[in-house]
Amino acid sequence: DQQVKQNSPSLSVQEGRISILNCDYTNSMFDYFLWYKKYPAEGPTFLISISSIKDKNEDGRFTVFLNKSAKHLSLHIVPSQPGDSAVYFCAAEFNKFYFGSGTKLNVKP
Amino acid sequence: KAGVTQTPRYLIKTRGQQVTLSCSPISGHRSVSWYQQTPGQGLQFLFEYFSETQRNKGNFPGRFSGRQFSNSRSEMNVSTLELGDSALYLCASRMGPKETQYFGPGTRLLVL
Repeated sequence: DQQVKQNSPSLSVQEGRISILNCDYTNSMFDYFLWYKKYPAEGPTFLISISSIKDKNEDGRFTVFLNKSAKHLSLHIVPSQPGDSAVYFCAAEFNKFYFGSGTKLNVKP
Repeated sequence: KAGVTQTPRYLIKTRGQQVTLSCSPISGHRSVSWYQQTPGQGLQFLFEYFSETQRNKGNFPGRFSGRQFSNSRSEMNVSTLELGDSALYLCASRMGPKETQYFGPGTRLLVL
């Protein structure tokens, strides 16, 4: 059962522009959400998280938005840099973590 | 602080064999989780251990098992390996429930 979905397998953005990565979930019991970045041959690196009691959390160039009514999570990266090119996973927690299948971001110079 | 370490980093086995993977969490972290990542798939949760007790388990067959020691280090064992077990196995640690997980570099297992 895919409770967390990332429907875009890939995204290409020009350097300096905004990257928006999306994530949908089905379980209203999820109370903690995270985004991870993953480079090939490495483990995922934690980026940013948000609790279900908030609707926005910001950390530098990264902002996560949570829309509980739509069961939708998004990650905004502004401005995008070539070093941001990686696979991004969203995750949601209720008792255990559920991960999306990932979106491959390519930031073009 | 040292990060999560996993050994070995790469492993080649043949069908029917068994394998044991090891994970050392970040110092002070009492929770260790294991995930399987296959091409085109997200991270599939295997199990989580907290203070030597299995706290949660994913939907994997009984061939996949784990344990955690008193120093929080964890091992994962897969018996009777199948070709489909070829994957990247990731370990993650955190201080406790509702805390952020931090991942190790993974063990790449190839079953021939």
